[in-house]
Amino acid sequence: QSALTQPRSVSGSPGQSVTISCTGTSSDIGDYNYISWYQQYPGKAPKLIIYDVSKRPSGVPDRFSGSKSGNTASLTISGLQAEDEAEYYCCSYTGSFTFYVFDTGTKVTVL
Amino acid sequence: QVQLLQSGAEVKKPGASVKVSCKASGYTFTNYYMHWVRQAPGQGLEWMGMINPSTGFTTYPHKFQGRVTMTRDTSTSTVYMELSRLISEDTAVYYCARDGGSWKHYFDYWGQGTLATVSS
Repeated sequence: QSALTQPRSVSGSPGQSVTISCTGTSSDIGDYNYISWYQQYPGKAPKLIIYDVSKRPSGVPDRFSGSKSGNTASLTISGLQAEDEAEYYCCSYTGSFTFYVFDTGTKVTVL
Repeated sequence: QVQLLQSGAEVKKPGASVKVSCKASGYTFTNYYMHWVRQAPGQGLEWMGMINPSTGFTTYPHKFQGRVTMTRDTSTSTVYMELSRLISEDTAVYYCARDGGSWKHYFDYWGQGTLATVSS
């Protein structure tokens, strides 16, 4: 069902930066700036960390940043910390019929 | 503080229906749309639809049209999601998730999730 693709896993050492890319199409990421990112720990509900491509909700550390270029959105975690080890999902609005698509998720591992 | 409290786990047989509730507190219930998102075991997230708690107006993706019904009770600040004609592939954790406003296209608070298991 997912129309968005991203790497299944990325890893980095504490203090390093990692970037997760989320590739869509001209009908979703390429056509709308309604890109959001969610962090999910095992057995827990997702948590919003980025919305509208690059905005951070109150309380989300500024080491999380988002961007978009063409049909690809990206989430960068700078200064990786142990607590950042989690699954990350991007989501894009895609207009009528489907409305929202999530990607399959990327597992971030802190070495 | 914003809280979304969902009903407990369910076990249903194929062909039956399941109804999950989500009670909101800590904000003005009618000012924020509510979405439902599900997650099959070990899988990603899937959007199932949304409801405007103020008007009761609903929007469902094509995949779930005819099988999902979302309603709300403004007197108790509760939204409901009912999925009918269940099959084994509907086994999932079902989340309610608050919209950032009136269709702001992101989900800023989530319920704790409700596991629905479909098994004969």
